[in-house]
Amino acid sequence: NAGVTQTPKFQVLKTGQSMTLQCAQDMNHNSMYWYRQDPGMGLRLIYYSASEGTTDKGEVPNGYNVSRLNKREFSLRLESAAPSQTSVYFCASSGQSYTEAFFGQGTRLTVV
Amino acid sequence: GENVEQHPSTLSVQEGDSAVIKCTYSDSASNYFPWYKQELGKRPQLIIDIRSNVGEKKDQRIAVTLNKTAKHFSLHITETQPEDSAVYFCAAMGGNNRLAFGKGNQVVVIP
Repeated sequence: NAGVTQTPKFQVLKTGQSMTLQCAQDMNHNSMYWYRQDPGMGLRLIYYSASEGTTDKGEVPNGYNVSRLNKREFSLRLESAAPSQTSVYFCASSGQSYTEAFFGQGTRLTVV
Repeated sequence: GENVEQHPSTLSVQEGDSAVIKCTYSDSASNYFPWYKQELGKRPQLIIDIRSNVGEKKDQRIAVTLNKTAKHFSLHITETQPEDSAVYFCAAMGGNNRLAFGKGNQVVVIP
């Protein structure tokens, strides 16, 4: 099992460009999450999906959109990247309620 | 939504001493409280978790305690070793599976 796989690992964008971060899990998990990690700010929830077909806003959703394409895949889209979106992005997934969340390896995004 | 706070932000301990990290949460509906360890440049990984029907859980040198009435939970690391140096995150999960994290604590174990 690969667990949670994120692509790409690194990305540099120019302000105003768009891109989609991909995330897939092979653990048959219902819930999937997108977080961003900035120094001193911890892991802030952007969006999450409690089950296939549902998505909900987290703490910092502005400037992002998500798609739960199927049970395995949960993508994060930046429509018009801004320097404030420079961060490390983590995708995670968890199974039944109140169980461990597994993280992908992260995407380091720089917006110039 | 759930708000999780962690204190202190940085904790330095002598090797062999104990380290304690405290977290508070706001949503009384939260029922699951995991702790994650993140080493530099790596992804967060679960080290221990506790559910609301349990007051304490121990796994070798680490333990977690939960006080639902006061809405706080703590991580205890005994006999600290240099490999315990990392950032530790507490988190809380409510009934809708929303998983919220604290800001993290940098633990530095001094040899």
